[in-house]
Amino acid sequence: DTEVTQTPKHLVMGMTNKKSLKCEQHMGHRAMYWYKQSAKKPLELMFVYNFKEQTENNSVPSRFSPECPNSSHLFLHLHTLQPEDSALYLCASSGRGTSGRETQYFGPGTRLLVL
Amino acid sequence: GENVEQHPSTLSVQEGDSAVIKCTYSDSASNYFPWYKQELGKRPQLIIDIRSNVGEKKDQRIAVTLNKTAKHFSLHITETQPEDSAVYFCAAKGPKWGPTGTASKLTFGTGTRLQVTL
Repeated sequence: DTEVTQTPKHLVMGMTNKKSLKCEQHMGHRAMYWYKQSAKKPLELMFVYNFKEQTENNSVPSRFSPECPNSSHLFLHLHTLQPEDSALYLCASSGRGTSGRETQYFGPGTRLLVL
Repeated sequence: GENVEQHPSTLSVQEGDSAVIKCTYSDSASNYFPWYKQELGKRPQLIIDIRSNVGEKKDQRIAVTLNKTAKHFSLHITETQPEDSAVYFCAAKGPKWGPTGTASKLTFGTGTRLQVTL
């Protein structure tokens, strides 16, 4: 398996809902990332996990809660979101690609709309 | 922390012409510079990368150059085709970090929307 997968592809939620985004990779990568992509900030790093430990929280509001139960799975739990949180949420994992260097591979993203 | 600036934000070229996208970075410790291409509705995909001990790298119609002294690197696409139309992101990575030295935090540029017209 040479892909990062994400579910769901699309998500519409109200501001009082609770939902979760899921990311999965089976490439043996030890680091996983959540990015937010919007028109205002094209690729905004949110969280970094290395060996299941969160090593970076880029000043993300607490309404976003990441979880990394193992090095193959990453979740982003969402609650009481705001309309401005509508964006494409991309997951990535890093490991040695064909260049032999640390390369980040992206999932297809979850398109989130908050009403 | 690292800061990456990318120019231009939009670029329109005619099919067959060349396209050049430029990026500058601030952290002299950065040692790895990938370029990603994101087609409409798709995920960013790595198209080429360069390490700081190399000045230039080519892969068919695409090439990347790096000037460590000036802290800038560029993507060159020759003989552009309509399928090259996409958003291109440059990025810079500092030395390995994390408990086991395997995490790679990339700082991305703001992207360049390339349109190749017939």
